[in-house]
This record gives sequence, C-alpha cells and structure tokens, in this order.
Amino acid sequence: QSVLTQPPSASGTPGQRVTISCSGSTSNIGRNFVYWYQHLPGTAPKLLIYRNNQRPSGVPDRFSGSKSGTSASLAISGLRSEDEADFYCATWDDSLSGYVFGTGTKVTVL
Amino acid sequence: EVQLVESGGGLVQPGGSLRLSCAASGFTFNNYAMSWVRQAPGKGLEWVSAISVSGGTTYYADSVKGRFTISRDKSKNTLYLQMNRLRAEDTAVYYCAKDVSAIDGIFDAFDMWGQGTMVTVSS
Repeated sequence: QSVLTQPPSASGTPGQRVTISCSGSTSNIGRNFVYWYQHLPGTAPKLLIYRNNQRPSGVPDRFSGSKSGTSASLAISGLRSEDEADFYCATWDDSLSGYVFGTGTKVTVL
Repeated sequence: EVQLVESGGGLVQPGGSLRLSCAASGFTFNNYAMSWVRQAPGKGLEWVSAISVSGGTTYYADSVKGRFTISRDKSKNTLYLQMNRLRAEDTAVYYCAKDVSAIDGIFDAFDMWGQGTMVTVSS
C-alpha cells in the first residue's frame, strides 16, 4: 500500500492538457523534493521531473511539475499519442527512511 | 554509451537466494548513489533499496529489510542485490537506477535506469 496516492487513470484527446495529482503527507512530500517518472511496461522508466519542477535535458516543456504543501501534480500539455504510459510520482519519506512511489496513473490518449 | 545492465534474475524456490548484478558503464559509477526498484506483475513501481556514494549508508524498504543486502564494488563498476529467504511476493522485474546525487549520504532523483531483470519465486 503506497503512501502516495494518484488517480488510477487519466485521459485526453491529442492537444489537450492532462493533470495528474499526487497526494502525500508531511513526512514525505511535505518535506522533500517530488519526482515524476514515465514508464512503458517492459522498458526502463524515464525521469520527467526532478526537484518538484525541474526538467532533465531532453524532456519537452510540455511536461511540468508543481508542489504545494503535501501534494504535487504533473501537467502534460499538448497531449500526444506517444505520451500514453504509466506515470509515477516519488519522493523520500523521512518516517520510512526510504523512497516511496505513488500508486501510478495510466494516461490514455483518446 | 551510458548504460546500466542488470543480470542474475531467474526462477528460484521460496526460501531460496539469488544475487542480482548491475553493471554500469559510460559514467563514473563511483561518484553516484544507486538504488534498486522493482515492479511486480500487474503492479506499480516499488523502491527496494538504496546505497550512498561511499557505500557506507544503505536503506531498505520494510518489505525486504533483513532479507536483502545492497552493495557496490567500485573496482568492477557493479551494483549488487543479495536476496535471501525469497518469497512469492518478491516476484518482480528488478531495475537498478542511478541517482542524480553525487554527494555522500544524499539521495535524489533516478536519472538512469537499466532494462530490468525478472525474478520469479515459485515452487
């Protein structure tokens, strides 16, 4: 049972904006950086956002992250068919002394 | 080429042991923290264990604490995960991941991942 809660699914048509939420607590999101990963089953996960809102080089600016209190969100603007994947938030949890991943959100492009 | 290549997965009986390896190349392995992350069939990502730059600090998920041991061999640019007393619920694809952090004792995002190795625990 993950300590970070995400909606199980999200969807949109090409070009639309999709937002994924990630709810945590004071021991994790409230105190630490949030990361976002994109994962296609059978492949290596990919880092999309680090330190709440920073994009690694090569990640399109269509992806953006934000954090407020004990929650975070990932926004995908200009949705494209290749964005179909599972998305996970993650952070360090001070109480557990370890990383925690969110429950994951499957994004579907209609 | 910058890459991480896992090996050592396979079929093992409950109660058995397995050692996973992750060979790093294309970057200075000794300068970064590392982690293992797994994904059970049909489930989400689950962090398993992390090791600091020096190897002096290690952390484990409660689900594997006391059974798994993470280590690193700087002379071989290789990360290991020794898994003992394996259970059916340990069945998963295991990924090794490079941390962004190059500061000993500090852990950050995972900016590089391997392709994973499958571990199946079944009789």
